[in-house]
Amino acid sequence: GEDVEQSLFLSVREGDSSVINCTYTDSSSTYLYWYKQEPGAGLQLLTYIFSNMDMKQDQRLTVLLNKKDKHLSLRIADTQTGDSAIYFCAEFSGNTGKLIFGQGTTLQVKP
Amino acid sequence: GAVVSQHPSRVICKSGTSVKIECRSLDFQATTMFWYRQFPKQSLMLMATSNEGSKATYEQGVEKDKFLINHASLTLSTLTVTSAHPEDSSFYICSARVQGASYGYTFGSGTRLTVV
Repeated sequence: GEDVEQSLFLSVREGDSSVINCTYTDSSSTYLYWYKQEPGAGLQLLTYIFSNMDMKQDQRLTVLLNKKDKHLSLRIADTQTGDSAIYFCAEFSGNTGKLIFGQGTTLQVKP
Repeated sequence: GAVVSQHPSRVICKSGTSVKIECRSLDFQATTMFWYRQFPKQSLMLMATSNEGSKATYEQGVEKDKFLINHASLTLSTLTVTSAHPEDSSFYICSARVQGASYGYTFGSGTRLTVV
């Protein structure tokens, strides 16, 4: 079945770049998403990428997609303390028509 | 962008009572809505998919009689947790497909349910 894997924790210093990685198994994925969740809140869409793209940049965010390896990454440049949150990778499965989430990566930004 | 309003944001109820959570699409018609459950420090688990005017499709292992989903209109889906028990305490989040939007989905702000 479909599976999305992420590392669970990342700690960086303020001002550094953060890179959060994700792997997925469904080759029929058409869209891949990054969501941010702050404590007690719902999910905020950060960015998304079509499966026929290999890179997307949006201000401080850069998404890289390696479709051959089924690897997705989110780079946050100049990480700020306000970026501390849980980041979820998700794929839209063309097989099931469902949005499948990874376990989430907790990003800790130290001043 | 498309907005889904979810209420209540927090609810505390006694064991054995039922709780209803509402999700409304404010500026678009949501023919399909999804209900997720999230345990502390864990990912989102899809519970069911609701389609306007038809029965919800539940994921394996989700009790249909316990988690009643109704999607009676194009702008409203509800999840009722019946005969709630402490183990039902969780964070529930709804999501809606946004037809024609490249980003695809929008999420409610979530409901923290605590059963005492």
